[in-house]
Amino acid sequence: GENVEQHPSTLSVQEGDSAVIKCTYSDSASNYFPWYKQELGKRPQLIIDIRSNVGEKKDQRIAVTLNKTAKHFSLHITETQPEDSAVYFCAGTDSNYQLIWGAGTKLIIKP
Amino acid sequence: NAGVTQTPKFQVLKTGQSMTLQCAQDMNHNSMYWYRQDPGMGLRLIYYSASEGTTDKGEVPNGYNVSRLNKREFSLRLESAAPSQTSVYFCASSTGSFGNTIYFGEGSWLTVV
Repeated sequence: GENVEQHPSTLSVQEGDSAVIKCTYSDSASNYFPWYKQELGKRPQLIIDIRSNVGEKKDQRIAVTLNKTAKHFSLHITETQPEDSAVYFCAGTDSNYQLIWGAGTKLIIKP
Repeated sequence: NAGVTQTPKFQVLKTGQSMTLQCAQDMNHNSMYWYRQDPGMGLRLIYYSASEGTTDKGEVPNGYNVSRLNKREFSLRLESAAPSQTSVYFCASSTGSFGNTIYFGEGSWLTVV
């Protein structure tokens, strides 16, 4: 079955710098990859997603890239701001289209 | 439009007690889910209901039961709570279509002592 690994578990960056979080997946049939953001004490919320027929998708300061050959995808946040501090989860899909989640990355933005 | 609503928000149980977490969505979604979230473990699927009248086990179903009462409501029951079930529980829903957004409730903090 599908397995999703996420790195790093914690990432600390200076405000204004870029942050990159990477995920790898095991099932080559996995074809939908969302990213969710969870602020402290809040619910996870979708911030961006990508489908397997697309290599990159951008939404203002957030972008996701997908490398199907290597089976990995990454979240890129540019010009980081204090409100970007949160836990970020990536996910892939299994054969029943259920999401399989990474373990999460705690992003800390240093002032 | 409240989205996904779950109750209670906080609960403390003694080992062996039972309780039911309630969840309702007002988005006319077909699919509903129960996840648990533990520190460093991410989100783990307990049970899901792809459509009204069906339920399926997820990654960690042991110790739990679910009921899809109608299209809106999906409850999670702990029959005999154990300390290992101390966690944050999230209910969620989606249309069930491929690539569709999952919307989460606010979470239920459960402590079993």
